[in-house]
Amino acid sequence: QKEVEQNSGPLSVPEGAIASLNCTYSDRVSQSFFWYRQYSGKSPELIMSIYSNGDKEDGRFTAQLNKASQYVSLLIRDSQPSDSATYLCAVIGGFQKLVFGTGTRLLVSP
Amino acid sequence: SQTIHQWPATLVQPVGSPLSLECTVEGTSNPNLYWYRQAAGRGLQLLFYSVGIGQISSEVPQNLSASRPQDRQFILSSKKLLLSDSGFYLCAWSGGQAREQFFGPGTRLTVL
Repeated sequence: QKEVEQNSGPLSVPEGAIASLNCTYSDRVSQSFFWYRQYSGKSPELIMSIYSNGDKEDGRFTAQLNKASQYVSLLIRDSQPSDSATYLCAVIGGFQKLVFGTGTRLLVSP
Repeated sequence: SQTIHQWPATLVQPVGSPLSLECTVEGTSNPNLYWYRQAAGRGLQLLFYSVGIGQISSEVPQNLSASRPQDRQFILSSKKLLLSDSGFYLCAWSGGQAREQFFGPGTRLTVL
């Protein structure tokens, strides 16, 4: 089992819709969770961090964390074509190392 | 504000040649520094991290090495490149007890 798992996609949504990106992790002691956005050919950019169960909202982005289910998600409201990118889930586990999933590719069509 | 630089941006090298990639951070002191590699279609792999000058931890056995000669400078090296060393090399930093990591623009390395 991979430490951090994401569906590779692509996830296709129409402009204006809600995009829902999901991630599961295997290390139960994980305490810190991050979402990075990576445009093709570019480096990852941190867009959200979440440390407590529940929801955290920042503009059009909402991160959701459920530690009991070992599940973290990212919702993007009012999706725009400029949101088309690969979204990487990352988790700091018991060894205090940041472990990345392989990413979900999001395509937002006009 | 903090800024992280990497150079070169792209590099094409023959198999067996040496490698030196440089990363510098501005606007912060005593950062934690990281080298990652992202191979085509694969996730980010942590190669090295450093919590201070001269302190290097290696995550995976390979023909790469890292050094931190100054507080805000991190260098990735190889004496002889392999085809499998091709990839997107990313330097990242985090500050003190902060858990977030921030990435530089990356170096795309092609070994032929």
